[in-house]
Amino acid sequence: DAKTTQPPSMDCAEGRAANLPCNHSTISGNEYVYWYRQIHSQGPQYIIHGLKNNETNEMASLIITEDRKSSTLILPHATLRDTAVYYCIVRVPLGGATNKLIFGTGTLLAVQP
Amino acid sequence: ETGVTQTPRHLVMGMTNKKSLKCEQHLGHNAMYWYKQSAKKPLELMFVYNFKEQTENNSVPSRFSPECPNSSHLFLHLHTLQPEDSALYLCASSQEVGPDTQYFGPGTRLTVL
Repeated sequence: DAKTTQPPSMDCAEGRAANLPCNHSTISGNEYVYWYRQIHSQGPQYIIHGLKNNETNEMASLIITEDRKSSTLILPHATLRDTAVYYCIVRVPLGGATNKLIFGTGTLLAVQP
Repeated sequence: ETGVTQTPRHLVMGMTNKKSLKCEQHLGHNAMYWYKQSAKKPLELMFVYNFKEQTENNSVPSRFSPECPNSSHLFLHLHTLQPEDSALYLCASSQEVGPDTQYFGPGTRLTVL
């Protein structure tokens, strides 16, 4: 079962910031939060990840609450090409070099012109 | 382009056919994964390979047979499939140490008639 809960859908105006929330109240201390997105029928695209500190890269920012029970993905200036399903995922280590991404149903972000 | 390629991109097969899906990663990674994405369901992890050794089998039926001849190539051999096996099959890879983010290929859209 997924360890995260997300709203099923959100709308955002083009050029505005998109803030996508995620709850992960049962996350363990060594489990990372990952965000991927999937444009229709393509492979998931990695966006960003974090453990407890806020993170920023060229695509997005990730804000993780101090208790680590929730996080928010921020796309600073959404474009029409950002329309996709966004997955908030808890990465579970499997031992050795491998890990397990537990996908939920994600949030369908629709960027409106 | 993520550095993970999958062939074929689309496949239609009958229930008595035998076919294979191929995945190749050009990232120097050591771990490879097969996922299944059925319509309106979350991605499900099927198999995990670490340094060519299978480390995870998520209760996948024996009609799906994975093969990992080396760290760069992963196959999924299919035989006597059912129509409910129609789905998008995704391959991913990650490296052993450092940032072990999983990178996904574009997927193979499989239709079983």
